[in-house]
Amino acid sequence: EVQLLESGGGLVHPGGSLRLSCAASGFTFSNFVMSWVRQAPGKGLEWVSNINGNAGSTYYADSVKGRFTVSRDNSKNTLFLQMNSLRAEDTAVYYCAKCLGTRCNVFDYWGQGTLVTVSS
Amino acid sequence: DIQMTQSPSSLSASVGDRVTITCRASQSVTSYLNWYQQKPGKAPKLLIYAASTLHSGVSSRFSGSGSGTDFTLTISSLQPEDIATYYCQQSYSSLTWTFGQGTKVEI
Repeated sequence: EVQLLESGGGLVHPGGSLRLSCAASGFTFSNFVMSWVRQAPGKGLEWVSNINGNAGSTYYADSVKGRFTVSRDNSKNTLFLQMNSLRAEDTAVYYCAKCLGTRCNVFDYWGQGTLVTVSS
Repeated sequence: DIQMTQSPSSLSASVGDRVTITCRASQSVTSYLNWYQQKPGKAPKLLIYAASTLHSGVSSRFSGSGSGTDFTLTISSLQPEDIATYYCQQSYSSLTWTFGQGTKVEI
């Protein structure tokens, strides 16, 4: 059974940093592209970032480019999202998601999410 | 970026009704169109991918159709457990995955 468990969310001041983690199990982690998708309170879904299986390629939404960094530790089956220079508009539930296909054609499994609140 | 527009934004139907949600892309996404269900307070779940392929374990009440710019998600007989918000998502545009704004289904 595929399981994804995010952690690391919390309250942070504007301009601050936070590191999210996503522990994966139930599949061969290193074989799959992984993603972060976020959802602001009461709003829709927004793709944030992707990383391929060997961490050789990373991609970011324009809204977070230059501030967020995605990484992974395949030896620990864990995905990370380092978030710097946080803004109020980054407040959201952050989900990690497993991708199907080398281009991440679909997000087939999602974690339960972790809430990030950026406020003074 | 490819924009995804869903209609309606919300709907109310009765148990047993046939429910249809549409999703329109601002340009062709061929069949790179997925549908997700999100129940209140829960993470999204994949329902249908590649426009019409049912994800493993998903009820056959759900079906998808369409290609190019116009897509449809159909619930053949609405059940109480189908109360949720439904999102379409395109994966045609390289490096920019976009979602529709969501359709809230109520009974």
